[in-house]
Amino acid sequence: AQSVAQPEDQVNVAEGNPLTVKCTYSVSGNPYLFWYVQYPNRGLQFLLKYITGDNLVKGSYGFEAEFNKSQTSFHLKKPSALVSDSALYFCAARGNYGQNFVFGPGTRLSVLP
Amino acid sequence: NAGVMQNPRHLVRRRGQEARLRCSPMKGHSHVYWYRQLPEEGLKFMVYLQKENIIDESGMPKERFSAEFPKEGPSILRIQQVVRGDSAAYFCASSLSRSTDTQYFGPGTRLTVL
Repeated sequence: AQSVAQPEDQVNVAEGNPLTVKCTYSVSGNPYLFWYVQYPNRGLQFLLKYITGDNLVKGSYGFEAEFNKSQTSFHLKKPSALVSDSALYFCAARGNYGQNFVFGPGTRLSVLP
Repeated sequence: NAGVMQNPRHLVRRRGQEARLRCSPMKGHSHVYWYRQLPEEGLKFMVYLQKENIIDESGMPKERFSAEFPKEGPSILRIQQVVRGDSAAYFCASSLSRSTDTQYFGPGTRLTVL
């Protein structure tokens, strides 16, 4: 069965510091990996995805993520956090055999001024 | 270029009533997905539809829940005889194709069952 883990419920970081939100996955076949952000009472907004190619993927709002096949990870990163980055972040994955998306439980990011 | 539209944004029903949630996909998208999000939890897949077809309903409860995506008009998620446990946020997403395309999400419908 497919699964996505986000081992941290909450990540706190000071404004201006680098941030990392962790994600590991288990899917059949080659993985398709996505990050979404959710602000309060809103839908999910797409940040970035990995399908194939370069392991470092750049996305919206200065976010990037690194695909690591050996560690089955797809951690989200940003060099310098903003207070406005505070939100709930979801990692999602599916295999390339046509399975449905599986979402992680989410990580709440708090950027402190 | 409108994104995914969902209505109503908030829906209050009493136990035993019917809830009808609507989703209009992004222009040009023919793939629609419904998800349910319980408080402080991630999204759980419910059903995947293309125009006039249910492709995968493996995440749908066997009773009381149904979905459709007619040739004309929005996709509808219907919950009959609602119970308190149905209270959740229901999100619709759409994509251009099935394979590697990004799913774009609507703002969600928050269902409260009294």
